[in-house]
Amino acid sequence: AQSVTQLDSQVPVFEEAPVELRCNYSSSVSVYLFWYVQYPNQGLQLLLKYLSGSTLVKGINGFEAEFNKSQTSFHLRKPSVHISDTAEYFCAVLNTGFQKLVFGTGTRLLVSP
Amino acid sequence: DARVTQTPRHKVTEMGQEVTMRCQPILGHNTVFWYRQTMMQGLELLAYFRNRAPLDDSGMPKDRFSAEMPDATLATLKIQPSEPRDSAVYFCASGSDTTYEQYFGPGTRLTVT
Repeated sequence: AQSVTQLDSQVPVFEEAPVELRCNYSSSVSVYLFWYVQYPNQGLQLLLKYLSGSTLVKGINGFEAEFNKSQTSFHLRKPSVHISDTAEYFCAVLNTGFQKLVFGTGTRLLVSP
Repeated sequence: DARVTQTPRHKVTEMGQEVTMRCQPILGHNTVFWYRQTMMQGLELLAYFRNRAPLDDSGMPKDRFSAEMPDATLATLKIQPSEPRDSAVYFCASGSDTTYEQYFGPGTRLTVT
């Protein structure tokens, strides 16, 4: 069975600073990896995904993530955050044989002026 | 701009009452998912459908919850009888089994008193 660990429950950062949100997964088979963002009182929105190919994946809103198979990680990065990036970020893994996403517990990104 | 729609957006009901939540998936999507989100448990997959057929409802309390897709444009989640511990935000998501992406609706916030 797959699992996802997001070690940081909350990450405070100042506006225009870089940020990295950490995600580690465990799986005995090939996986697909995703990052979703949830703004207050809204559903989840897909930021980016890794299925295969280049390990550096670019997504919406200036975010990118790097798949590292040896470290079983898929960390999310943004070089300069905005106040509007304040939200909850979820990492998720999907077994290539199934459609079920397994979500991490989420990381709350708090961007302050 | 195609979106998943959910009704109602908010529901307050008394313990023991039946609750029905509805979801209209994005046209052309062949997978539909129901999730429940709470502070304590995070995001939990309750059920999912592919081509309207239920594939997995192992995350759903069988004695009181039921999920159906009467047609390709409607998915329903019913709780009968409802209990206070069912209070949560329920999300519907639809997707494609070729892209593995899931698109979430805005959710139904359920409060059972």
